[in-house]
Amino acid sequence: GENVEQHPSTLSVQEGDSAVIKCTYSDSASNYFPWYKQELGKGPQLIIDIRSNVGEKKDQRIAVTLNKTAKHFSLHITETQPEDSAVYFCAANPNTGNQFYFGTGTSLTVIP
Amino acid sequence: EPEVTQTPSHQVTQMGQEVILRCVPISNHLYFYWYRQILGQKVEFLVSFYNNEISEKSEIFDDQFSVERPDGSNFTLKIRSTKLEDSAMYFCASNQQGGDSPLHFGNGTRLTVT
Repeated sequence: GENVEQHPSTLSVQEGDSAVIKCTYSDSASNYFPWYKQELGKGPQLIIDIRSNVGEKKDQRIAVTLNKTAKHFSLHITETQPEDSAVYFCAANPNTGNQFYFGTGTSLTVIP
Repeated sequence: EPEVTQTPSHQVTQMGQEVILRCVPISNHLYFYWYRQILGQKVEFLVSFYNNEISEKSEIFDDQFSVERPDGSNFTLKIRSTKLEDSAMYFCASNQQGGDSPLHFGNGTRLTVT
């Protein structure tokens, strides 16, 4: 099945700086890649997603890029704020079923 | 905005006991899921459910687990005889079009098996 790897596992940035989280996937058939933010005690919340027919997608301070050839996709957060502090998970769906495969998560801390 | 709701938020049970975790998916969604997250680890797929039957399940979802949609709104996960290693956060999720559409998660049930 699909294997999703995520780096780094922890990331600390100063408020106002950018943060980048990277994921790789193994199954070239994967075609849908969501990113989730998980705050303490809550379920993962979708923040942005990208499909395989698109190379980049942006929503205000958040952007996602996808390189199908290299099988990796990245989350970019610009002008970080303390409320961006959370655990971020990438995921992939290999288009052979409904199951999503998640990365191991990145704990982002934005230092005021 | 519609939400996936889960009850209870925390369940403590003794090893060997049966537990039922409850979920109300978003009303116009057709696909329902259970995922679990052991403390500090990744979110792991357990099972997906569509058209009143299991569509996929993982190796974790063995004979001790079952799911049911007893009525038009609830979706339940039953663990027949809990083990210590079943302690985890269990998340219910739903979406409209299966693997091609965003998953919406509930806030989870923290299951503690003692």
